[in-house]
Amino acid sequence: DQQVKQNSPSLSVQEGRISILNCDYTNSMFDYFLWYKKYPAEGPTFLISISSIKDKNEDGRFTVFLNKSAKHLSLHIVPSQPGDSAVYFCAASARKSSGDKLTFGTGTRLAVRP
Amino acid sequence: DVKVTQSSRYLVKRTGEKVFLECVQDMDHENMFWYRQDPGLGLRLIYFSYDVKMKEKGDIPEGYSVSREKKERFSLILESASTNQTSMYLCASSSEGAEAANTIYFGEGSWLTVV
Repeated sequence: DQQVKQNSPSLSVQEGRISILNCDYTNSMFDYFLWYKKYPAEGPTFLISISSIKDKNEDGRFTVFLNKSAKHLSLHIVPSQPGDSAVYFCAASARKSSGDKLTFGTGTRLAVRP
Repeated sequence: DVKVTQSSRYLVKRTGEKVFLECVQDMDHENMFWYRQDPGLGLRLIYFSYDVKMKEKGDIPEGYSVSREKKERFSLILESASTNQTSMYLCASSSEGAEAANTIYFGEGSWLTVV
């Protein structure tokens, strides 16, 4: 049972345009959401997070939006750069009940074309 | 900077061998985790530990065990390696506390091939 879903396995965008990566979850106990970026043969690196008490968090070119009623979050990258090409994982945790245990989505491979 | 070090980047083992994957973190983190990453399946939690000598099963613990004798070290053990355990293994750590950013820091991964 996939509690965190990334339905788009891949995405290709032009340099300078917006990249939008989507993530859906089913567990209503999730109260913290994170995005990780992963290059081949490297471990994932933390990108941005959002608590369920917020609906938006911004950090430079990266913004995460959370829609709790739809159980949906998205990561916006503006403007996209070739160095952003990587696999992006959405992750969620139910901190009050499960602490730091994260449940990950299957990932979306982003390719930014020069 | 947080440093999570996995001792072996690439390993090739034979079916039935006992395999040890070692992980060390240098930030005095309470929590440590072992995940495996497979194409189309994302990252799946094998085991985690909230303290020394404590361990809890994750989503896919079958065929694995763990050891945490010291706070900084978390070992993943494959008692009898099988070909379906060929994968990339990722160790991670995080700190405890309500004010923590709840960010988990990952090592660079260990590629295990079982032949």
